[in-house]
Amino acid sequence: DGGITQSPKYLFRKEGQNVTLSCEQNLNHDAMYWYRQDPGQGLRLIYYSQIVNDFQKGDIAEGYSVSREKKESFPLTVTSAQKNPTAFYLCASSFGREETEAFFGQGTRLTVV
Amino acid sequence: GENVEQHPSTLSVQEGDSAVIKCTYSDSASNYFPWYKQELGKRPQLIIDIRSNVGEKKDQRIAVTLNKTAKHFSLHITETQPEDSAVYFCAAPSAGTGRRALTFGSGTRLQVQP
Repeated sequence: DGGITQSPKYLFRKEGQNVTLSCEQNLNHDAMYWYRQDPGQGLRLIYYSQIVNDFQKGDIAEGYSVSREKKESFPLTVTSAQKNPTAFYLCASSFGREETEAFFGQGTRLTVV
Repeated sequence: GENVEQHPSTLSVQEGDSAVIKCTYSDSASNYFPWYKQELGKRPQLIIDIRSNVGEKKDQRIAVTLNKTAKHFSLHITETQPEDSAVYFCAAPSAGTGRRALTFGSGTRLQVQP
């Protein structure tokens, strides 16, 4: 379905390797977000971007990097500095106004092997 | 930043019974409180939200109540059905992000027994 597309759905990475998760949206949203989901811990904010070429660290940004070169795209790189990268990663977007609904992608499950 | 606490972490009810999930938040300036439902392996989806200018909002079998004085809000599901089984998350705007990103509770796994 349209809206927000994350790829791939499943990703396996060897220890010490960087990996990039893709997130694309066609909702014309200004703001985009990356969340990490671990069992029993809800969703935690990694990075967010309110506008092209600008992004801010969230609560757990260490070991991650992002870019926002296009309005539609907000890729997340999980670097080798992330000590415990195995998790479910969710991308979201919104109109960027205060206190509005976030729309989520279907997620990428990353496993370090 | 915002701190959101959610209880219980798991909830099991019989089909047809009601379910209630409760959340508290810390930032008294927050005015928007959404609830998301996440089925196994799928994306979270908004099921209902409430703004601080009202104390209750209903949509068919689901309702949300808000007590701004006590800084808590609750999700009520009546006449539960097996398809209501999922993980439910409450959320509130994160002051550290200019209230644009959401801070989520830790989730409640609801199991509706047929």
